[in-house]
Parts: sequence; C-alpha cells; structure tokens
Amino acid sequence: SQQGEEDPQALSIQEGENATMNCSYKTSINNLQWYRQNSGRGLVHLILIRSNEREKHSGRLRVTLDTSKKSSSLLITASRAADTASYFCATISGSEKLVFGKGTKLTVNP
Amino acid sequence: DGGITQSPKYLFRKEGQNVTLSCEQNLNHDAMYWYRQDPGQGLRLIYYSQIVNDFQKGDIAEGYSVSREKKESFPLTVTSAQKNPTAFYLCASSAERSINTGELFFGEGSRLTVL
Repeated sequence: SQQGEEDPQALSIQEGENATMNCSYKTSINNLQWYRQNSGRGLVHLILIRSNEREKHSGRLRVTLDTSKKSSSLLITASRAADTASYFCATISGSEKLVFGKGTKLTVNP
Repeated sequence: DGGITQSPKYLFRKEGQNVTLSCEQNLNHDAMYWYRQDPGQGLRLIYYSQIVNDFQKGDIAEGYSVSREKKESFPLTVTSAQKNPTAFYLCASSAERSINTGELFFGEGSRLTVL
C-alpha cells in the first residue's frame, strides 16, 4: 500500500543549484520522514517532521509540510555532486508501519 | 562501531532453494524490519518485530519467514514458495517499539538473484 508519491521521478541539475522534491500522500499522518539512498546501498535517514510542524531545517536541507494539501517538500540548497542519490519520503498514519514512496532520483552534474 | 550488518551482500540461488539472509544489529534497538526493493520502486514491508519472540506480517509476507530469538538478530528466509524472489532486501531497526517516534536505521542490503 503506497502512501507517499514523490515528484518528479527524476531530476538533473548542475552543482550549486537548488533541488526541490515533493511528496504527496493520501491519508492523515503522524509524521513524515525523508531518506536518501545512494545507488546499491541502504537508506539513510535525513529528517523527520511531525504533523504539527510546518518547517524544519538540517544543514543544507529544508523540509516543509502542508497537512491541508497533504504534501511535503524537500529542498537541498547549493547542491553538490555527492548529493546524487534517490530520495524517498515515508509516512506513518496510525499503524506501526512506515510506508515509502517510489523516490526521486537526483543527479547533480559537476 | 554501532550499526546494522547484513550478509551476504550478494547471493545467487537456484529455483526451488530456500535461502536465509542475515541481519544483526548492535544498536540495542527493540524493533527490526525487513523490506524488499525492486528496481525503480519504493520499499515494501515483508515482516517486522517489535520485541524478541514476536513478529508481525507486513504487506508482502507470502513466501518469506522470519525468527526473532535474540534482540540483536532478525534473519529472513526466502522460501521456494516466493515466486519472484530476485530483489534487493533491506533490514532496518528502530530504537522505539513504535516507529511513530523515530527514524529507521538501515543495513547495506542483500541482493538476491535467482538463476
């Protein structure tokens, strides 16, 4: 059961540019998390935002949450080649299970 | 170093064989999870365990089995009943029994290929 849907599916930018990825979901949530996955590796947790929060920052990352639109965005500022990865949003909605979207594949060109 | 160790990293299996993927954590986490990832797809939950000697089916448990005899270990067996087992398998853990409150820590994955 897929809850979050990331958009776009793929994004290619130049180093130094900002990257914005969006996540939309269908039912009300307890929290929303963003993860990064380098090719062929495990996922790494980036940030968690709770349903009563609207914005969170962590280094070059900025996450927003709009519960009225059931959407979240992840902004990576001043991107680097090392940011090349797939980014997944994951949501919790009542159950004990975290449900992942299909991800956005980000390529940062040097 | 604390973390989650999955082994083997690559595994080849003939049709009809059972295989077991290992997952060990030294983070002292209560909850552990197994996910399956297919190319270009998100993660789908196979099984999860919130406490020793207890586990629950996820969304795609058919053809898989698990055990949780020790807090540190949560092995996954892919049985011959799993019709399409070729995939990337990810093990994860979380500090809280309920993941409403925290993040998941992932291993590096095991890639299973059926020949």
